Amino acid sequence: KAGVTQTPRYLIKTRGQQVTLSCSPISGHRSVSWYQQTPGQGLQFLFEYFSETQRNKGNFPGRFSGRQFSNSRSEMNVSTLELGDSALYLCASSLATGGPGTQYFGPGTRLLVL
Amino acid sequence: AQRVTQPEKLLSVFKGAPVELKCNYSYSGSPELFWYVQYSRQRLQLLLRHISRESIKGFTADLNKGETSFHLKKPFAQEEDSAMYYCALQPGTSYGKLTFGQGTILTVHP
Repeated sequence: KAGVTQTPRYLIKTRGQQVTLSCSPISGHRSVSWYQQTPGQGLQFLFEYFSETQRNKGNFPGRFSGRQFSNSRSEMNVSTLELGDSALYLCASSLATGGPGTQYFGPGTRLLVL
Repeated sequence: AQRVTQPEKLLSVFKGAPVELKCNYSYSGSPELFWYVQYSRQRLQLLLRHISRESIKGFTADLNKGETSFHLKKPFAQEEDSAMYYCALQPGTSYGKLTFGQGTILTVHP
């Protein structure tokens, strides 16, 4: 099976702009989680979607949002970008049936905000 | 709220030496615990999870609920084990949300 894919792999934006990142899960996986990775804060959970519904949300401002489509693909959006949003954004997918499942990670999208 | 602590940011050992990467957690319920590894220029990947009780690449980890620890061990380190290691916790009732430790960079010298 193909692994989790994320597009684009790299992005450069300026403050105040918005950005949309995309994640395609492993075939058959219905849960998609998003994480932000920075040198200072490490890996932090953003949100998780299952069957097009957000089930879990981390402690990030409302500028960070996401959605999931019927084919389980997911997008996350960051509006009004700030310099501190520069990070590696990872998505992970899991089967999520019968209990917490193993999450499989994508390669990430590296976002630089200037 | 849950928390994962990896007290060592850096760990260096020589090839063939035993290695132990420490992980302590705080969580009031029954957690699922994982070790993830990130080799240079590769994506984050699962090394092992406690519920599987497997040994992967010679690594093992035992969940000690009394000490709330999930240390990762390998009796004889190899140079290819050099990587960043993350301990992660998933609450038993909360799908899709992993809480990660800060990670430990393991360097195995020849």
